[in-house]
Parts: sequence; C-alpha cells; structure tokens
Amino acid sequence: AQKITQTQPGMFVQEKEAVTLDCTYDTSDQSYGLFWYKQPSSGEMIFLIYQGSYDEQNATEGRYSLNFQKARKSANLVISASQLGDSAMYFCAMSREGAQKLVFGQGTRLTINP
Amino acid sequence: SQTIHQWPATLVQPVGSPLSLECTVEGTSNPNLYWYRQAAGRGLQLLFYSVGIGQISSEVPQNLSASRPQDRQFILSSKKLLLSDSGFYLCAWSVGLGYNEQFFGPGTRLTVL
Repeated sequence: AQKITQTQPGMFVQEKEAVTLDCTYDTSDQSYGLFWYKQPSSGEMIFLIYQGSYDEQNATEGRYSLNFQKARKSANLVISASQLGDSAMYFCAMSREGAQKLVFGQGTRLTINP
Repeated sequence: SQTIHQWPATLVQPVGSPLSLECTVEGTSNPNLYWYRQAAGRGLQLLFYSVGIGQISSEVPQNLSASRPQDRQFILSSKKLLLSDSGFYLCAWSVGLGYNEQFFGPGTRLTVL
C-alpha cells in the first residue's frame, strides 16, 4: 500500500525567506506521480505542482519547485521568496499508474511572519 | 475554463437525518469524479470515485453512498447520519488516466449534532 509521510506539523518562516516542506513516500510501484496541494483557511484545495517518477528533472512552477530524490523516496516542496499569502496547510499526495486515487499525507501548516 | 461547484457550503444536521451533497462540474466532458472527507486538522480520505455515469467505486465501508446520475454531477448521500459523519467534504475532478492532477471544489462543512 502507498503511504505519504509529512513529518512537520507546523512551520514558521519569515517573509521573503525560502522554505522547504518535507514529504517522504512509500510505494512498491515503479511508476507513480507526486503532487503538492495548498489549502488556505477557506478550505479549497489548490493544485501546486506535479512530479512523475520517471521525470529526470525536478518540476518547477513559478515560486514552487519540487526537490525529487527518488532513491530516498522524498519529494520536498520548496517555496522561494515566501509571501504572507503562502500561509496555509500544504499536502503532499501520490497516485499510482492507471489508478484514479490520490493518497494524501497529514499536511504541514505553514505560517509566514511579516 | 472548467469550474466545479459544491452545495451547500455549510450544513448542520441532527443525528439520524438524511444527507444529500451535490457536486457539479462545468467545462469538461466525461470527467473522473471524487468525494473526499477531511476530519479537522487531518489529511483527505477518499470515499468514492467514479469514471462514468452510474459507475461508483467505494473506498471505505461506511454510512455514506454516492451516485452519478449525469456525466458532470456527483451526489453524496446518507439515509441516517451519524456523529462520526461530521467533517469537511470535498468533491474533485480529473480527466483521463494516469497521473492527472485533481481539481477540487470549495467543499461542504457538515456538522452532525
């Protein structure tokens, strides 16, 4: 069975600093996808970034990048130049090839201080 | 562009009452549809998913059921609510197979008293 572990329940970062949110995963599949979502206080889940297990380069989307280390089974999210609006819960998730399901971690609450 | 709607936004129901939450997607055809539940301060748990009209897969045994009467409509129901059904319910959609990202609706916050 697949499992996602996010070991940081909460993080506090100064505005404009970079922040890394940790995510490790456990799977026996050779092919899988990794995702990060942001959940503001409003509750809506916002898709941020995706990394395929066979992608050789780390995914980037604007200020978001995914530090993918396949051998270590980690998929950390890096947010550069953090902003007050980045304060939210962040969830790491993975899916299997051909499956229609996402498995989510427990999330990390990120607070950006001015 | 695609949009996803959920209603109601909030709901307070007594134990033993029925439930019907609705989700509709616009701007896409034959989407995959999902119902998730999120307990307070926790991650999301997949409840049901559907790859087509009338096709429902259940992930966990529970007091809830789902139906897909139309291509872009997904309904979550219960005949008799339990206290443990309280939570934040999110509907999501995706297209195709593989690792396509899922896009979520605004959610329904359900409180069972």
